[in-house]
Amino acid sequence: QKEVEQNSGPLSVPEGAIASLNCTYSDRVSQSFFWYRQYSGKSPELIMSIYSNGDKEDGRFTAQLNKASQYVSLLIRDSQPSDSATYLCAVDRYGQNFVFGPGTRLSVLP
Amino acid sequence: DVKVTQSSRYLVKRTGEKVFLECVQDMDHENMFWYRQDPGLGLRLIYFSYDVKMKEKGDIPEGYSVSREKKERFSLILESASTNQTSMYLCASSSHRENQETQYFGPGTRLLVL
Repeated sequence: QKEVEQNSGPLSVPEGAIASLNCTYSDRVSQSFFWYRQYSGKSPELIMSIYSNGDKEDGRFTAQLNKASQYVSLLIRDSQPSDSATYLCAVDRYGQNFVFGPGTRLSVLP
Repeated sequence: DVKVTQSSRYLVKRTGEKVFLECVQDMDHENMFWYRQDPGLGLRLIYFSYDVKMKEKGDIPEGYSVSREKKERFSLILESASTNQTSMYLCASSSHRENQETQYFGPGTRLLVL
């Protein structure tokens, strides 16, 4: 089993819809979870971090964490064409080390 | 404002050449990382460093070495470049401080080895 798994997509949603991105991880001791957005040809940029079970909201973005199920998700409300990108899930390993998922490519259709 | 810079955006080298990729951060971060990113394989950790003169192997260290002589600078070295090292190389930095482990990325260096 891979350490961090994501559906590669592409996930296509119409403009204004909710986009739901999912991530599962294998290491039960992981404590910190991150969502990064990466536009084509650019480097990853942080969207959200989450450390506790439950939901964390920031503008149109909501991160959800369920440590018992080893599951992290990112919801994007009112999706815009500018949200079209690859979304990377990252989970901490030992120390300050991360492992990244392969990313989900999101396409928001006007 | 967080800033991580990398010495080159694009680089073309010949097989067997020694290649230096430089990364500089201005956030006084203790941790620095080198990744490569390839289609279908995602981001893979090559080496990382928790402090000056310290280095740790990541998941794919073979064919690479690193140097961290100053806190703000972390160099990736390809001792003898090979075509399978053609990739996007990304540097990142983060802090030791609790709940500040977020990694900030540089713009990346796209390396082509011919």
